[in-house]
Amino acid sequence: EAGVAQSPRYKIIEKRQSVAFWCNPISGHATLYWYQQILGQGPKLLIQFQNNGVVDDSQLPKDRFSAERLKGVDSTLKIQPAKLEDSAVYLCASSYQSTVPYEQYFGPGTRLTVT
Amino acid sequence: AQKITQTQPGMFVQEKEAVTLDCTYDTSDQSYGLFWYKQPSSGEMIFLIYQGSYDEQNATEGRYSLNFQKARKSANLVISASQLGDSAMYFCAMREGGSEKLVFGKGTKLTVNP
Repeated sequence: EAGVAQSPRYKIIEKRQSVAFWCNPISGHATLYWYQQILGQGPKLLIQFQNNGVVDDSQLPKDRFSAERLKGVDSTLKIQPAKLEDSAVYLCASSYQSTVPYEQYFGPGTRLTVT
Repeated sequence: AQKITQTQPGMFVQEKEAVTLDCTYDTSDQSYGLFWYKQPSSGEMIFLIYQGSYDEQNATEGRYSLNFQKARKSANLVISASQLGDSAMYFCAMREGGSEKLVFGKGTKLTVNP
């Protein structure tokens, strides 16, 4: 079974530029999450989708971050314009009801550096 | 207040020995779940073990066990017979009530010495 795919793996941009990250969850997983992990910290949830609807986006900085999950499969997270403090690893995860309730499977992440 | 507290920024252990990674949590919900994830230097988060708040037995998965002390609100991870490949960041996380949202601690960096 293929895992969660993310691209790109690394991205370097200048502040005020825009950037987009892509995530393809595990097949059949209805729930998709985007996390931000700043160096030295644990992941912080940015947004959660159930199929193509938003369940929780309370910690998404909506003035600059946006995310969509068209057709309930792939998802894109965008930052426009980027700030220095957006430098982090962006992790995508997906989940399906299993024996461990809501166990989340994570992708390899995209490491963003804003200069 | 922090929901998940991991007080050990770094831990060292000799190969083949056991190590305990601490985690305390804060919740007023009766129903919650506690998770441990491993994050190697490659970056992906790997699920290790889960404990539900109503589970009476401590969870075990191979060399991993979770020392769940509900009254103390602690959920410590015990790794037995440490291996060099266990060197990584370890994160404790909690899910509250019916939410699927995970809240993570700051992590503990484990180094296994040969």
